[in-house]
Amino acid sequence: QKEVEQDPGPLSVPEGAIVSLNCTYSNSAFQYFMWYRQYSRKGPELLMYTYSSGNKEDGRFTAQVDKSSKYISLFIRDSQPSDSATYLCAICLDRTGTYKYIFGTGTRLKVLA
Amino acid sequence: ETGVTQSPTHLIKTRGQQVTLRCSSQSGHNTVSWYQQALGQGPQFIFQYYREEENGRGNFPPRFSGLQFPNYSSELNVNALELDDSALYLCASSLTSGTGELFFGEGSRLTVL
Repeated sequence: QKEVEQDPGPLSVPEGAIVSLNCTYSNSAFQYFMWYRQYSRKGPELLMYTYSSGNKEDGRFTAQVDKSSKYISLFIRDSQPSDSATYLCAICLDRTGTYKYIFGTGTRLKVLA
Repeated sequence: ETGVTQSPTHLIKTRGQQVTLRCSSQSGHNTVSWYQQALGQGPQFIFQYYREEENGRGNFPPRFSGLQFPNYSSELNVNALELDDSALYLCASSLTSGTGELFFGEGSRLTVL
């Protein structure tokens, strides 16, 4: 079983739709959770960061963590064509300051105008 | 505030050769991590440097090595290149004393022929 599972997509939605992106993880000791957006042939850009169960909102983006189910989600409201990218979840087990993040394979999202 | 910068952006090598990739960390960040991202996959942790010492390593062979300099910049060296080393190599900087958020550069795309 992979430590982090993420549906690779692709996911196509119409402009204005609510998008739900998800990851599951296997190790309940994981503490830190991040979502990155990566445009083609570019480096990942940090979108959201959280370390506790519950929701965290930033503009059109909401990150949700359910530690009891080992499940994290990213919701995008009012999706725009510029949101078309690959979305990566990243999860970390902090071991004495080594922030070794484990990434999902990424979900490709296409928002149609 | 300057972001993470990497060089070169693209390079082509032949099997058996050696390569050095360079990274300047974000202003104020003292920790540098390197990740390898194969096409269609999420980034995989290679190693992390803090105070010029390697303080965490992923499942990569010893022919992957690195350095961190007093100004926190870093190098990734790969010896005896193999075809499977073709990937996007990403440098990320962070603050060890902080919450561990990673900020990535644009990457160096290596092609091994």
